[in-house]
Amino acid sequence: EVQLVESGGGLVQPGRSLRVSCTAFGFAFGEFAMSWVRQAPGKGLEWVSFIRNKAYGGTAEYAASVKGRFTISRDDSQSIAYLQMNSLKTEDTAVYYCTRDLGGGSDHWGQGTLVTVSS
Amino acid sequence: QLVLTQSPSASASLGASVKLTCTLSSGHSSNGIAWHQQQPEKGPRFLMKFNSDGSHSRGDGIPDRFSGSSSGAERYLTISSLQSEDEADYYCQAWDTGIRVFGGGTKLTVL
Repeated sequence: EVQLVESGGGLVQPGRSLRVSCTAFGFAFGEFAMSWVRQAPGKGLEWVSFIRNKAYGGTAEYAASVKGRFTISRDDSQSIAYLQMNSLKTEDTAVYYCTRDLGGGSDHWGQGTLVTVSS
Repeated sequence: QLVLTQSPSASASLGASVKLTCTLSSGHSSNGIAWHQQQPEKGPRFLMKFNSDGSHSRGDGIPDRFSGSSSGAERYLTISSLQSEDEADYYCQAWDTGIRVFGGGTKLTVL
């Protein structure tokens, strides 16, 4: 059974950094792209970033709202995807979801981890 | 620019059918999309991927009450035999080189 488990969320002050993680179970992690999607309180879903698998170069893409501040990475040996978030702003407050990416749509979601940016 | 447009709300009666619409922006009318459901206070769940050739694949455990179709730049999610647990937000998702995009979501009320 495919399972994605996020961790690392919490309360952080504006301007500071935080790293969230996504541990995958039940599938060949290294064969898939992985995405991060966020949802601000009471709002819709917003795609944040995705990282290709090694066969496609392991390269990453970012939404304009986070480019230059966030970095996605992956450790295929441990089946973990990371999202390093720097220079956090109050508008980055959201639940962050990890998804398995089919090279297009997401087909599995984690339960999410809440990141609150506040002084 | 890839943009997805969804109506903010829809409603239908218990046991009836409802058709939700997701419209792709100009120049992207051949894109495939995915549909996701988010029940109240829960995380999203993948429903199905609908490809431009009309083929589709449902997520794990998704009943065939959920089906997809398309016409031009419009993609549809039809839910038949509506049940109370179908009351949820429904999001479409599309992709292009280097980006993923979500529609604004449709809040479905089951009367």
